[in-house]
Amino acid sequence: AQSVTQLDSQVPVFEEAPVELRCNYSSSVSVYLFWYVQYPNQGLQLLLKYLSGSTLVESINGFEAEFNKSQTSFHLRKPSVHISDTAEYFCAVSALNTGTASKLTFGTGTRLQVTL
Amino acid sequence: NAGVTQTPKFRVLKTGQSMTLLCAQDMNHEYMYWYRQDPGMGLRLIHYSVGEGTTAKGEVPDGYNVSRLKKQNFLLGLESAAPSQTSVYFCASRELTDTQYFGPGTRLTVL
Repeated sequence: AQSVTQLDSQVPVFEEAPVELRCNYSSSVSVYLFWYVQYPNQGLQLLLKYLSGSTLVESINGFEAEFNKSQTSFHLRKPSVHISDTAEYFCAVSALNTGTASKLTFGTGTRLQVTL
Repeated sequence: NAGVTQTPKFRVLKTGQSMTLLCAQDMNHEYMYWYRQDPGMGLRLIHYSVGEGTTAKGEVPDGYNVSRLKKQNFLLGLESAAPSQTSVYFCASRELTDTQYFGPGTRLTVL
């Protein structure tokens, strides 16, 4: 079984400041890793994912996350946030090739609040 | 291409009433999922399906039933609603590369 820990339930930050949202996972097998974003009153949208290859993955809107196998982490970072980045961010994992229908296990979410 | 759609968007039920939530996807995905989202708990998997005619239990299946009679549709049923089932329900479908695509959600209140 897998588990995901997002230690920060809320992260307040000023516009144009850098931000890091932390995600740690636990699994006995290899995993795929995901970050999803949920804007107010909307469904979840995929932000970025790590499946294999380069451990640094990037999104189209300036976010990046780095897979660190030794620390079992997949922290999300952005060097300069915008008001429009205000949303809830979910880290998720799924087991790799175990025939479990790739069920996602989600963290409890981190609310990013960007202010002027 | 509408992606994943859910009906209804909002619903209020009285305890003991029944209802069905409909999820539809037009991406020809084999896998479909139903989650519930509660404050401070993230998303939890209720049931899922690996193809037409198949269903399986997830993490929190009690009080829910599902059916996948057609590949594009995945129905979630509540036979006798309880206040503990007040939640936001999300449907998702999955492509081969493990990316799940989510619907806009259904906000259900059980009084």
